[in-house]
Amino acid sequence: SQQGEEDPQALSIQEGENATMNCSYKTSINNLQWYRQNSGRGLVHLILIRSNEREKHSGRLRVTLDTSKKSSSLLITASRAADTASYFCATSSGTYKYIFGTGTRLKVLA
Amino acid sequence: KAGVTQTPRYLIKTRGQQVTLSCSPISGHRSVSWYQQTPGQGLQFLFEYFSETQRNKGNFPGRFSGRQFSNSRSEMNVSTLELGDSALYLCASSPDRGYSYEQYFGPGTRLTVT
Repeated sequence: SQQGEEDPQALSIQEGENATMNCSYKTSINNLQWYRQNSGRGLVHLILIRSNEREKHSGRLRVTLDTSKKSSSLLITASRAADTASYFCATSSGTYKYIFGTGTRLKVLA
Repeated sequence: KAGVTQTPRYLIKTRGQQVTLSCSPISGHRSVSWYQQTPGQGLQFLFEYFSETQRNKGNFPGRFSGRQFSNSRSEMNVSTLELGDSALYLCASSPDRGYSYEQYFGPGTRLTVT
């Protein structure tokens, strides 16, 4: 079964708006990562947050992690058409194995 | 540095055949992971190799196997192909700085089983 479940499954917003997607997981983790995938291609790493961190920023991306709720959120500010993609969270429990969530399909309308 | 490369990019096979997919990691990366991506099951972890040793594997039948060579290049093999094996197979490499490391993905091999 999937460790991570993203919510919502699909999201459609206007260019310039913010997009927020959430990830919930089931077991304790060592770190959590977010990836982007453009239409059937390979995944691109966006950001990594360790279990002892609560928030990280990278450009227009902001990630939060709440280990007590076993959840993380990814915020993309001032979205652009080029942000249209699927976004996945991936968790590691320290076993050289990453478990990916089901993904959120984001569509940014120009 | 060149990115992760996977060959072939597309493959069509018949049920019962076997297939070998290849992955060349980023230079200097010693960890290689394989994933299967399907619309119904999402991204599923197959196995991970480091210095020619399999360190972890996912819940896939024994028909799925892999190996890693001394130059860190990796191959995965699927024997006795089934229709359900049709998927995008993704390879990812990492520098392996312990457990907290980002993975760099290749473009994938699209396998279609007919």
